[in-house]
Amino acid sequence: GAGVSQSPSNKVTEKGKDVELRCDPISGHTALYWYRQRLGQGLEFLIYFQGNSAPDKSGLPSDRFSAERTGESVSTLTIQRTQQEDSAVYLCASSPAPGQRAGQYFGPGTRLTVT
Amino acid sequence: QQQVKQSPQSLIVQKGGISIINCAYENTAFDYFPWYQQFPGKGPALLIAIRPDVSEKKEGRFTISFNKSAKQFSLHIMDSQPGDSATYFCAASYWPNFVFGPGTRLSVLP
Repeated sequence: GAGVSQSPSNKVTEKGKDVELRCDPISGHTALYWYRQRLGQGLEFLIYFQGNSAPDKSGLPSDRFSAERTGESVSTLTIQRTQQEDSAVYLCASSPAPGQRAGQYFGPGTRLTVT
Repeated sequence: QQQVKQSPQSLIVQKGGISIINCAYENTAFDYFPWYQQFPGKGPALLIAIRPDVSEKKEGRFTISFNKSAKQFSLHIMDSQPGDSATYFCAASYWPNFVFGPGTRLSVLP
């Protein structure tokens, strides 16, 4: 079946502009996660959504970052007034319903470059 | 409590050798331990996972060994191949929470 998809695959933007990154999770997966990965580094948790519960926003680095999810479907990560330090790959992952003890399934990522 | 430690940071192995990556955790609430493989320019891919009620799980050349009392688990790659060269992340989970280790960059020399 279809995996997690993300768009765009690459985004180059000027400092100070806003960007929107999109994630389409695997159908039926109730949990959705966003991570940031700087070049050669590990996975930095940003936010996750689980069903109708309030999202866990504890990893968002500043109030310039926000995310929304429509039901158990698509999610968008918005970065306002982008800075050069925002340059990274933004990864989205989804996970099946609770009780299945399953892992996360990652998309290919969006490479963001802020010039 | 939420941290997952992973070592080594980088590993170089000859083709045909055994690659071993170790992870340790503190929170006993974790009940699922997956490993991910990431190639350059790609997202991490779920490789193999284990639950704490078993001590070992094998899938092909990949084996997870799990020591519940020591709160440690490790990935063994038997007969390592150049195509295994990638970054490996361990993780610990109590759904929907996932905590990742910092990653190990594996290079398998031909």
